Amino acid sequence: GAVVSQHPSRVICKSGTSVKIECRSLDFQATTMFWYRQFPKKSLMLMATSNEGSKATYEQGVEKDKFLINHASLTLSTLTVTSAHPEDSSFYICSAGPLYEQYFGPGTRLTVT
Amino acid sequence: AQSVTQPDIHITVSEGASLELRCNYSYGATPYLFWYVQSPGQGLQLLLKYFSGDTLVQGIKGFEAEFKRSQSSFNLRKPSVHWSDAAEYFCALTRGAGGTSYGKLTFGQGTILTVHP
Repeated sequence: GAVVSQHPSRVICKSGTSVKIECRSLDFQATTMFWYRQFPKKSLMLMATSNEGSKATYEQGVEKDKFLINHASLTLSTLTVTSAHPEDSSFYICSAGPLYEQYFGPGTRLTVT
Repeated sequence: AQSVTQPDIHITVSEGASLELRCNYSYGATPYLFWYVQSPGQGLQLLLKYFSGDTLVQGIKGFEAEFKRSQSSFNLRKPSVHWSDAAEYFCALTRGAGGTSYGKLTFGQGTILTVHP
């Protein structure tokens, strides 16, 4: 099946700094990618839809100025958590794929100290 | 608004026993339904999906699920569980064809499966 990678798998940053997470589709092109957030012992919550060549669309309640999404190519989307705070600590997962068949990356564990 | 409920947070079964994980959904029309499995350090892997047609769908790793419209359910089953099935399982739905939210998934809370030898 199709492969989606994420980098880094784990990152620790200090409060107030920004961190960038990459999501790549390795063997297919993706005009649309999705970013999810998973809280401990909770489900995945869709944060935003990343659209190649245009602005991302954010779900209600997600701060677009805090979670910057760039989809500059057909195989790469990036999520930048700006001015991170401890409450941003979470597991971030991206997905991509053909219609109704999403492939998920392995996730990025962000810890903000 | 659409939602998915997995009533069981944690299930423990013995290896070789049968398994059923429950999933109930709320949606105004017929949704597209999925079951994913997440192992530690791994991404979510699709086990099976239901779009239309036969309400009993077969998936990978010996899993199957049955769509029951009258009960708004899509329960996952396996006749004989293996120790390697221990993981977290997520039920999810998305809007069917013609919807404006293609690819967007609404997930249930997840069910952690523990398998005893």
